[in-house]
Amino acid sequence: AQSVAQPEDQVNVAEGNPLTVKCTYSVSGNPYLFWYVQYPNRGLQFLLKYITGDNLVKGSYGFEAEFNKSQTSFHLKKPSALVSDSALYFCAVRGPTSGTYKYIFGTGTRLKVLA
Amino acid sequence: DAGVTQSPTHLIKTRGQQVTLRCSPISGHKSVSWYQQVLGQGPQFIFQYYEKEERGRGNFPDRFSARQFPNYSSELNVNALLLGDSALYLCASSLALAGASNEQFFGPGTRLTVL
Repeated sequence: AQSVAQPEDQVNVAEGNPLTVKCTYSVSGNPYLFWYVQYPNRGLQFLLKYITGDNLVKGSYGFEAEFNKSQTSFHLKKPSALVSDSALYFCAVRGPTSGTYKYIFGTGTRLKVLA
Repeated sequence: DAGVTQSPTHLIKTRGQQVTLRCSPISGHKSVSWYQQVLGQGPQFIFQYYEKEERGRGNFPDRFSARQFPNYSSELNVNALLLGDSALYLCASSLALAGASNEQFFGPGTRLTVL
């Protein structure tokens, strides 16, 4: 069965400091991995995805993620956090399950960037 | 181009009632998926439709049903509402059912409150 784990409910970081939001996955076959961000009372916004190729994936708003197959991880990173990055972040894995390509989401990590 | 649109934005119902939620995908997108996001959790997959056919169903009771119309818009119906159905219902559209570039684009959601 496919699954995604986000071990931290909340991450606090000072503005200007680097940030990391952790995600580990379990999937049979090649993983398709995604990060989404959700602002209050809003839907999910796509940040980046890993399908194949370079392990470091660059996405929107200066975010990037590092795919590590041996550790089955896909951590979200940003070199310098902004207060406006404060939001709820979801990691998701997609793969064939009973003929569909549904997303399986983690439970989310709330990022708070402190001024 | 307009993104994924959902209506209504908010909805209040009482236990036992029925509700219909609506979604219009991005122009050109043929696949629509529905997710339930309970407060404090990640989105849970309910249905996926592609070319007007159901292609996937999550672990939800038969009280939940959906359909997709020839213009690719979709409706989610929930009968005999329970308090536990209170959630943000998200619709997501994608170009096709499968493929490496098949990221999903989410609408703002419909907030359903069951009293």
